[in-house]
Amino acid sequence: GAGVSQSPSNKVTEKGKDVELRCDPISGHTALYWYRQSLGQGLEFLIYFQGNSAPDKSGLPSDRFSAERTGGSVSTLTIQRTQQEDSAVYLCASSLVRISNQPQHFGDGTRLSIL
Amino acid sequence: QQQVKQSPQSLIVQKGGISIINCAYENTAFDYFPWYQQFPGKGPALLIAIRPDVSEKKEGRFTISFNKSAKQFSLHIMDSQPGDSATYFCAASIGRGSTLGRLYFGRGTQLTVWP
Repeated sequence: GAGVSQSPSNKVTEKGKDVELRCDPISGHTALYWYRQSLGQGLEFLIYFQGNSAPDKSGLPSDRFSAERTGGSVSTLTIQRTQQEDSAVYLCASSLVRISNQPQHFGDGTRLSIL
Repeated sequence: QQQVKQSPQSLIVQKGGISIINCAYENTAFDYFPWYQQFPGKGPALLIAIRPDVSEKKEGRFTISFNKSAKQFSLHIMDSQPGDSATYFCAASIGRGSTLGRLYFGRGTQLTVWP
């Protein structure tokens, strides 16, 4: 597709379960970012990938959060033992290269609800 | 600590009026300042962006004004239309170091344009 694709669009799960969120960036984009959008915290950075490596994981809120990227393309964000405070919209963005003035293109996000 | 402060939180403007949203920052390492527009259920979409060596940038009805000495920048929407009703986010990113490319977002402004 032409844009960043995220799946699922909505996910409802019980507290304590693990969830996997998927991001398919724009073809050819080497830089991939995960952000989280919540009412209390606004839009906050989670992790960044350049190719398959993650040089900046500093935004991950706890060790229950992890992410990987394979083949320089698809990325998966995994949340283990989900808590209610994990409820948020998880957004993925990609850009052609990693420089500050390179536009980041966002997907429509995964809305995660923890019961 | 919110690195980019945005105001107002909400804004109501009549059709044809001018919408003005303001942002301020402290970190002088920021070197790229984009504005994003977000509709409900969608991801943020890049609207317009500016570098600090430029004091103003205009694209159609949208203008960014940038005041480097005051560390402030603003978005002006001329001839506001009901279709402009959305949430607007200012952001900033750093051009070097380990956090290169990471976007720091303001808290957002919900704009409503009445017909």
